[in-house]
Amino acid sequence: GQQLNQSPQSMFIQEGEDVSMNCTSSSIFNTWLWYKQDPGEGPVLLIALYKAGELTSNGRLTAQFGITRKDSFLNISASIPSDVGIYFCAGQYAGNNRKLIWGLGTSLAVNP
Amino acid sequence: GEEVAQTPKHLVRGEGQKAKLYCAPIKGHSYVFWYQQVLKNEFKFLISFQNENVFDETGMPKERFSAKCLPNSPCSLEIQATKLEDSAVYFCASSQSQGARYGYTFGSGTRLTVV
Repeated sequence: GQQLNQSPQSMFIQEGEDVSMNCTSSSIFNTWLWYKQDPGEGPVLLIALYKAGELTSNGRLTAQFGITRKDSFLNISASIPSDVGIYFCAGQYAGNNRKLIWGLGTSLAVNP
Repeated sequence: GEEVAQTPKHLVRGEGQKAKLYCAPIKGHSYVFWYQQVLKNEFKFLISFQNENVFDETGMPKERFSAKCLPNSPCSLEIQATKLEDSAVYFCASSQSQGARYGYTFGSGTRLTVV
């Protein structure tokens, strides 16, 4: 099935460091969503982006909807151990079908 | 309630057996989605409903998979004659009528193991 290109695939960082991950697509999206998934749980929405160029923050998290509408990034500042998990980007096309197209995730490990 | 409730949490089936998974969406959410997450974290869209009507079933392997969302009942996803490749975590998500405007709320998933 169709997927987004999400990178990096995994990251291992020290507590307190900043983190950046991104997603790119060959297609234009109407909406970009960033989710975090903990082991044994479903994805939890972190940030939703609806307009090209939009920059949105949620605490230490910041995400942007790329101007071309084909990419998005997520930054985490001053990482803490509970940031550990898998982060997914997901996009939705304009139109009416509402299904999400997913990246394969960025696995984040934080060394205390 | 304010969470998407999926049951059971774990399900083990012998190859060829039937599997049935349930999802209670958040009250007031009009859309329900089923996704399959396989080993490499890939989320595959299966089917979506708008209330009790199938909205998009382009991801469903129709020969063995079926799904329903009936009024006043949990939604269900049924797999007839399971195969080893059906082993995955199946997630249900629901959203308000504006689609992704407020994101989708996911349940905790049902881990299906076919042996």
